[in-house]
Amino acid sequence: AQTVTQSQPEMSVQEAETVTLSCTYDTSESDYYLFWYKQPPSRQMILVIRQEAYKQQNATENRFSVNFQKAAKSFSLKISDSQLGDAAMYFCAYRSAQGGSEKLVFGKGTKLTVNP
Amino acid sequence: NAGVTQTPKFRVLKTGQSMTLLCAQDMNHEYMYWYRQDPGMGLRLIHYSVGEGTTAKGEVPDGYNVSRLKKQNFLLGLESAAPSQTSVYFCASTPVRTGKNEQFFGPGTRLTVL
Repeated sequence: AQTVTQSQPEMSVQEAETVTLSCTYDTSESDYYLFWYKQPPSRQMILVIRQEAYKQQNATENRFSVNFQKAAKSFSLKISDSQLGDAAMYFCAYRSAQGGSEKLVFGKGTKLTVNP
Repeated sequence: NAGVTQTPKFRVLKTGQSMTLLCAQDMNHEYMYWYRQDPGMGLRLIHYSVGEGTTAKGEVPDGYNVSRLKKQNFLLGLESAAPSQTSVYFCASTPVRTGKNEQFFGPGTRLTVL
């Protein structure tokens, strides 16, 4: 079974600075998808960014980018020019590309604090 | 579109009581999921459904039952609530042939079992 590990329970960053959240995963599959979800205090789960394993190019979405290292099974999230609104729980998630349930496997999350 | 909605948003139960959580989606998605979120544990899959009339167990199914009688609705039942089921419950849905498509989440239900 696949597992996702987020080794940083909490992180903090100064406003306008850059922060990187770590995620590693364990799988024997070669094709899969990886996601970062943001959960602000409102509890709503919001997709931040996604990566397809067969694509070597790292995904970017405005101030958010990933460092996808397939061989190392690492999928870190970089937030540039951090804003107060970025403060939230961040969850890394894995989904197999093999058809079936399309289940997501989540890490335990990293709580990000943004200091003014 | 309302997306994914959950009813109720909050509930307090006494041990042994039963209740049903309702999830509804208006996006015509085939797949639906129920997760629970506990502090320090992330989201864990309880049950899921790949289509109307079908359900399957996830990672933590004990103490819960589900039904998908209509494509747009996915019900999560607790027959005899226990304090260990105090949690925040999330419903999610996604289209068939998901690929890179995201799961869309509801706003969550906070359940407290005394």
